[in-house]
Amino acid sequence: EVQLVESGGGLVQPGGSLRLSCAASGFIFSNYEMNWVRQAPGKGLEWVSYISSSASTIYYADSVKGRFTISRDNARNSLYLQMNSLRAEDTAVYYCARIATSPYYYYFHMDVWGKGTTVTVSS
Amino acid sequence: QSALTQPPSASGSPGQSVTISCTGTSSDVGGYNYVSWYQQHPGKAPKLMTYEVSKRPSGVPDRFSGSKSGNTASLTVSGLQAEDEADYYCCSYAGSNNYVFGTGTKVTVL
Repeated sequence: EVQLVESGGGLVQPGGSLRLSCAASGFIFSNYEMNWVRQAPGKGLEWVSYISSSASTIYYADSVKGRFTISRDNARNSLYLQMNSLRAEDTAVYYCARIATSPYYYYFHMDVWGKGTTVTVSS
Repeated sequence: QSALTQPPSASGSPGQSVTISCTGTSSDVGGYNYVSWYQQHPGKAPKLMTYEVSKRPSGVPDRFSGSKSGNTASLTVSGLQAEDEADYYCCSYAGSNNYVFGTGTKVTVL
């Protein structure tokens, strides 16, 4: 079964750090680009960060640039999000999402999502 | 990058159709045919419903259809069923592997 499982969320004080992980299974992780997407309580979805299959290309939303770092370990089938200098507005459920892929075509949609991990930034 | 604009709510009776709009700019919706729609039930992860404007993944009923005109994309749910009651989000590619989501629409089945 194709699956993504996030972990590492929790309660952290403003200015603190947290590292999220996303464990992939049921597919060849190294073939897929990945995104982190978040959802603040009662709010909509917000794209956070992108990483290519080889980790050679990385992008961030302006709201997290300079504070968050995305990375991956293809040998461990894992995706990570290092979050530093956390703010109250970073409070959200964080989802990892797989970007669909094809040997012949570029796709720009997310076909598999994890269930999310909750990050709460509060003193 | 500003969020794409969706109506906060939409509703219809069972068997009826409902259409949700998603308005962006020429830098996102209007610039690419890479609009996707996601369904999210309360407390659950988003689920892909359509991609590349009008394509459906396997397993998604053909009651769900997408379209686009200029800077506005739309999702139509025909033959509404109780299980279609959920939040729906559009998403557009915005260049340089950036993505922008819509503000979300709550669909209610009356």
